[in-house]
Amino acid sequence: QVQLQESGPGLVKSSGTLSLTCTVSGGSVSIYPYFWGWVRQPPGKGLEWIATVYYDGSTYYNPSLRGRVSISIDASKSQFSLNLNSVTAADTAFYYCARHNKWLASWYFDLWGRGTLVTVSS
Amino acid sequence: QVVLTQSPSASASLGASVKLTCTLTSGHGSLAVAWHQVQPEKGPRYLMILYSNDSHTKGDGVPDRFSGSSSGTDRYLTISSLQSGDEADYYCQTWGSDNVFFGGGTKLTVL
Repeated sequence: QVQLQESGPGLVKSSGTLSLTCTVSGGSVSIYPYFWGWVRQPPGKGLEWIATVYYDGSTYYNPSLRGRVSISIDASKSQFSLNLNSVTAADTAFYYCARHNKWLASWYFDLWGRGTLVTVSS
Repeated sequence: QVVLTQSPSASASLGASVKLTCTLTSGHGSLAVAWHQVQPEKGPRYLMILYSNDSHTKGDGVPDRFSGSSSGTDRYLTISSLQSGDEADYYCQTWGSDNVFFGGGTKLTVL
């Protein structure tokens, strides 16, 4: 059974870079139709998609975050990573990694990690 | 751009049924949506993908009490025989032009 686990610092300084890694266990990241993505949820607010990557390196970004965010994948380690730079308090959120299913022209998250809280401090 | 509209809150009694609504922007009635459940300390859970023709595919282990239906630009998630463990935030999600969209979520309270 495939599982996703986020890891990374829980505290990041303002103007710094937030870096998170998601480790996929129980399955390969190199299988169609699965892409791999990040979603965040500020405390008390809704879900926001951040970015998605395919095992071939293709990347997709939320237009509102493009320019500050990058996503990458290391299929040999079954890991994918998120970098968000120039962070502010507004980037404080629960960050979730998720499997992004692109079957039959659909594109939806069908498996989630438990999430990790990242706080941006001044 | 697609906008998904959800009522901020809903409530129903233990053992009853509740129908949550996700409305797509006019003109996007052919889009499918996915429903997700988010509970504190547990992270999100994928419930189902729901197409405009009412067909849906549930995630692993999602009980039969959860079902979906569609009408025009509305996508519904119905939960029957409500349990206290169903108390959560429910989000719908769709996609388009290499972008992903979430509704604002509905907080379900089980009375």
